[in-house]
Amino acid sequence: DAGVTQSPTHLIKTRGQHVTLRCSPISGHKSVSWYQQVLGQGPQFIFQYYEKEERGRGNFPDRFSARQFPNYSSELNVNALLLGDSALYLCASSPGTGGHEQYFGPGTRLTVT
Amino acid sequence: QKEVEQNSGPLSVPEGAIASLNCTYSDRGSQSFFWYRQYSGKSPELIMSIYSNGDKEDGRFTAQLNKASQYVSLLIRDSQPSDSATYLCAVIVTGANSKLTFGKGITLSVRP
Repeated sequence: DAGVTQSPTHLIKTRGQHVTLRCSPISGHKSVSWYQQVLGQGPQFIFQYYEKEERGRGNFPDRFSARQFPNYSSELNVNALLLGDSALYLCASSPGTGGHEQYFGPGTRLTVT
Repeated sequence: QKEVEQNSGPLSVPEGAIASLNCTYSDRGSQSFFWYRQYSGKSPELIMSIYSNGDKEDGRFTAQLNKASQYVSLLIRDSQPSDSATYLCAVIVTGANSKLTFGKGITLSVRP
């Protein structure tokens, strides 16, 4: 079975630009969560979507937004990029909401210059 | 106080030894506990989950949970050089949907 997929793998953007990151969950999983990981730290929770509805939001500015599609894939959008947005963006897939195990995709490495 | 703390590290053990990784958490409403392994430049890989007090074994890995003392640990028996990685402890608090709260990780090095 295919695991979680994310695209693109790497991305270089300039300050002020906008970026869209994409994620496809494991087949049968209905929940997608997004995390940001900077070097030397654990991942930080950004959003959770379940059945196309936002179920959780972390402490990130409104420049960050996301959505989930009917096929349960998801997009993370970041507007007005800052240098500090440079990080590894991770998508995690789980069967549902709650305390289920979550499985991460390979991540998207975003560099803002 | 940070929600999930992994203070010991980096950790270096010889090949074949037992590696013991510890994690404490602050929210008594935490219900689900996970250990992820992350190789340099890669994404986290789930290696253990534990939900109730006691031990849970899977191959060379044993997770231990003590909710009264608010700690969770991971033991790796017969450590191999391929176990060299950063190990992340994560918890989900009741009512927090699927929000994983991570510690900063412990880097383990297994010396051949």
